[in-house]
Amino acid sequence: DGGITQSPKYLFRKEGQNVTLSCEQNLNHDAMYWYRQDPGQGLRLIYYSQIVNDFQKGDIAEGYSVSREKKESFPLTVTSAQKNPTAFYLCASSTWGDGELFFGEGSRLTVL
Amino acid sequence: KNEVEQSPQNLTAQEGEFITINCSYSVGISALHWLQQHPGGGIVSLFMLSSGKKKHGRLIATINIQEKHSSLHITASHPRDSAVYICAVRSGGNDMRFGAGTRLTVKP
Repeated sequence: DGGITQSPKYLFRKEGQNVTLSCEQNLNHDAMYWYRQDPGQGLRLIYYSQIVNDFQKGDIAEGYSVSREKKESFPLTVTSAQKNPTAFYLCASSTWGDGELFFGEGSRLTVL
Repeated sequence: KNEVEQSPQNLTAQEGEFITINCSYSVGISALHWLQQHPGGGIVSLFMLSSGKKKHGRLIATINIQEKHSSLHITASHPRDSAVYICAVRSGGNDMRFGAGTRLTVKP
């Protein structure tokens, strides 16, 4: 079945460590997104990519990095520079423009 | 003030009740989305609409562009409808703004 797969579902990290969250889609979508969700707040955009080898910063990109080497894959690295990384991270994809968004199941990162 | 405001924040209903969740936004939009987030965290898209009304099973979504307001209605609510419902608006291209969500609990 077509969809978006995120991994890992749960991740624990020590302070000072970088971690990479995986996002893979087989929907043939050009656009992919990473969002952060904190309690009581709406989703906030970290990075998005319209096409392979291109990506743009969202509202809260500081302390994060991404790559888009393949159409299907859009991994997110949470670096040690991110001051408050504990959160729920959601990956999404869509056809570009006004397309419907498809979400993964999310990855919950906890910094110990 | 957030660009997308939802009300209520929390809603508890008895099984069978008619439920309404409201969404107001302050920006120009090309489309409005209603999303459902399950307790495990995954999100599914319920509706995408730019005018009028859409219906899918027991769910109905309406939008009034002039008033910048949308409602999500659930008829004959059921405990399996318990979830967080999120309103999101797209202003064009990648620019998507999300409400904080409405947590719905339907008791048997």
